[in-house]
Amino acid sequence: AQTVTQSQPEMSVQEAETVTLSCTYDTSESDYYLFWYKQPPSRQMILVIRQEAYKQQNATENRFSVNFQKAAKSFSLKISDSQLGDAAMYFCAYSGGAQKLVFGQGTRLTINP
Amino acid sequence: GAVVSQHPSWVICKSGTSVKIECRSLDFQATTMFWYRQFPKQSLMLMATSNEGSKATYEQGVEKDKFLINHASLTLSTLTVTSAHPEDSSFYICSAKLAGGTDTQYFGPGTRLTVL
Repeated sequence: AQTVTQSQPEMSVQEAETVTLSCTYDTSESDYYLFWYKQPPSRQMILVIRQEAYKQQNATENRFSVNFQKAAKSFSLKISDSQLGDAAMYFCAYSGGAQKLVFGQGTRLTINP
Repeated sequence: GAVVSQHPSWVICKSGTSVKIECRSLDFQATTMFWYRQFPKQSLMLMATSNEGSKATYEQGVEKDKFLINHASLTLSTLTVTSAHPEDSSFYICSAKLAGGTDTQYFGPGTRLTVL
């Protein structure tokens, strides 16, 4: 079975600075998707970024980018120019042949003004 | 685009009663919907996968007779918590995948259930 591990329960960053959230996963599949979702205090899950495993190029969405290392099974999220609105719980997730999302434990990100 | 709604957003009920939660994809068709449960400060736990027109597939340990799921149309799935007890109190979240789309799931805003 696939597993997703987020080893940082909490992270904090100064406003306008850059922060990287870590995620590793374990799978024997070769074709899969990886996601980062954000859950602010409202508890609405919001898709931040998505990466297809067959694509070598790292996905980027404005201030959010990933460092996808397929061989190392690592999928970190970099947030540049952090803003107060980025404060949230961030979940890394995997989706493979079973078509189900497997979530990591989450990382709570605090933005210090 | 890809908006998912849930109703109600919160509900309080007495022990022994049943509660129905609706999940709707507002601007797309969803052949597959998912139901999750989230305890405070924890990750999402998948309860079941719901495919339109067929029986839901439940995860191990989830009582299918207690958590009834119906996916009657391409835009609506319902979760009914039957004979609710205080231990069923939780935050329930649904998600939906675009028909013919990628693996991306779009989430509803969640329903907070409190059983007295």
